[in-house]
Amino acid sequence: DTAVSQTPKYLVTQMGNDKSIKCEQNLGHDTMYWYKQDSKKFLKIMFSYNNKELIINETVPNRFSPKSPDKAHLNLHINSLELGDSAVYFCASSPPRWRDSTDTQYFGPGTRLTVL
Amino acid sequence: QKEVEQNSGPLSVPEGAIASLNCTYSDRGSQSFFWYRQYSGKSPELIMFIYSNGDKEDGRFTAQLNKASQYVSLLIRDSQPSDSATYLCAVNMGGQNFVFGPGTRLSVLP
Repeated sequence: DTAVSQTPKYLVTQMGNDKSIKCEQNLGHDTMYWYKQDSKKFLKIMFSYNNKELIINETVPNRFSPKSPDKAHLNLHINSLELGDSAVYFCASSPPRWRDSTDTQYFGPGTRLTVL
Repeated sequence: QKEVEQNSGPLSVPEGAIASLNCTYSDRGSQSFFWYRQYSGKSPELIMFIYSNGDKEDGRFTAQLNKASQYVSLLIRDSQPSDSATYLCAVNMGGQNFVFGPGTRLSVLP
């Protein structure tokens, strides 16, 4: 299936641990994103990568580090997890402008992170 | 601070009625505007996008954009219970920097 996929779907961990969330898209898109959706459902952009290069880095603690090994993957590593990191994290991708000028984003299913 | 604002709702409409969802944005230079629908526990999915002033219709959905007033809206005609969801307004404020509003929860009552 063509899609944006994320693993794991659920992640429960203790404060202070380090964890990673993986994202892959097989849509041939150039741009990938990480969003955080908190308990109030506010969806906020964290990072954006275009062709493996970081283009947007919003005000996010440096405990969060994105890594893009190739343009189909964008992983999110979180160090020293805190209670406030509990949220749903969505990966998304969008096609290159030459192919689709609409800027439409396609979202993955989300990863629900719970920090105890 | 670049912002997108929406009424959080819930907005309740009877089945078959028109639901009207509104959104305002702060960055006058924004060029592209989107409406996403998000069911509880699911990921956002695109409903409509609009770039030019005026109306854009797609089936039961109509997006309206007024750049002078920095206002974008979504009308849902003949609302169905399956339209009950949270509707997110998103604005590309340049350089693929998408800013989402807090969402409006719509409830369509049978």
